[in-house]
Amino acid sequence: QITLKESGPTVVRPTQTLTLTCTFSGFSLGTNGVGVAWIRQPPGKALEWLALIYWDDDKRYSPSLRSRLTITKDTSKNQVVLTLTNMDPVDTATYFCAHRGRFQEFDYWGQGTLVTVSS
Amino acid sequence: QSVLTQPPSVSGAPGQRVTISCTGTSSNIGAGPDVHWYQQVPGTAPKVLIYGNNYRPSGVPDRFSGSKSATSASLAISGLQAEDEADYYCQSYDTSLSAWVFGGGTKLTVL
Repeated sequence: QITLKESGPTVVRPTQTLTLTCTFSGFSLGTNGVGVAWIRQPPGKALEWLALIYWDDDKRYSPSLRSRLTITKDTSKNQVVLTLTNMDPVDTATYFCAHRGRFQEFDYWGQGTLVTVSS
Repeated sequence: QSVLTQPPSVSGAPGQRVTISCTGTSSNIGAGPDVHWYQQVPGTAPKVLIYGNNYRPSGVPDRFSGSKSATSASLAISGLQAEDEADYYCQSYDTSLSAWVFGGGTKLTVL
């Protein structure tokens, strides 16, 4: 059974860099076709896709945040790491990681982690 | 401003049928990518309700159905139940942006 869980700081200061880790089980990022994404949701607002990494290390980023985002994977540890630089209060959100399904949907999600940007 | 457009809210009485629309463009829904629907109870992670335009994952009641036509898609919920009260999001892929895109979400209220 597939599970994912996000971890990282709950509070980040403005201008700092956010680093979040997604630890998963039930699948391998070494397997052909597999992808893991990061998606965020500001309080009371809509979902926003941020980044996705494929089994072959192909990486895709949201055009609006590309300059600030980096996604990496550690296949041996079953982890995907997202960094977002130059954090601002508007980046306050619940950050989710999710498994990409074969129809380009996100079929399994982590519980999410709330990150607040505040001085 | 979300790439896919949904009505902010819909409502219906128990037992009724409601539909939620999702309007895109020729760069996303109209370009061929599938549309997927998620149900999110506040404070929890989204859950896939419909994938590949009209497929239901195991465990999702057949009261939920999806359709796609041209540059839009719809989620229909029949036999409305109190437990259906939640936020619903559509999602697709935008070929011009090379990005996965979501709708702005629709809050369903069961009267």
